[in-house]
Amino acid sequence: GNSVTQMEGPVTLSEEAFLTINCTYTATGYPSLFWYVQYPGEGLQLLLKATKADDKGSNKGFEATYRKETTSFHLEKGSVQVSDSAVYFCALNNAGNMLTFGGGTRLMVKP
Amino acid sequence: GAVVSQHPSWVICKSGTSVKIECRSLDFQATTMFWYRQFPKQSLMLMATSNEGSKATYEQGVEKDKFLINHASLTLSTLTVTSAHPEDSSFYICSASLRGGGRLDEQFFGPGTRLTVL
Repeated sequence: GNSVTQMEGPVTLSEEAFLTINCTYTATGYPSLFWYVQYPGEGLQLLLKATKADDKGSNKGFEATYRKETTSFHLEKGSVQVSDSAVYFCALNNAGNMLTFGGGTRLMVKP
Repeated sequence: GAVVSQHPSWVICKSGTSVKIECRSLDFQATTMFWYRQFPKQSLMLMATSNEGSKATYEQGVEKDKFLINHASLTLSTLTVTSAHPEDSSFYICSASLRGGGRLDEQFFGPGTRLTVL
């Protein structure tokens, strides 16, 4: 079956630090991969996505590359801000329109 | 575009009562709507998938008589928590998929409803 594994948090960084949140997946075929962000007390917002191998999704300074050889979709940002503090979910969509989510990684950015 | 709303955003109820949560796609027609449950500091757990005009498909372990889902139109799905108990307290999130289906379709998420059962 499908599964998504994320690094456990919380991840605590200082403002302007480099961010990496690891995500690996298990799936048959060619899933689409997503990163969602959840701010406190809110629902999920799509941050970026990639639909095929070697695609790079990017948005708001965040980026992730679909690596089929390593079954990974790591999220990166060169310089985080306090406003990036949130929970980040990696997810995949395979055969249909059902999403499988990772456990979520809480990011805390300190000024 | 592609906005999903939920109502109410926050509800407190007494044990034994029923609570209805609405999920609406405001500017698009949603073939499929999904209901998730999220416990504090945990990931989303898919409860059921709802297609307009047909019965919802529930995930294993989710009581269909406890969590009633109705998808009466292409823009509205409701989740009713029947005879709520404190263990039903959670954050409930819905999402909607654009008409057409398929793995490339994005899900658009509502802001969530926090249910507290006293």
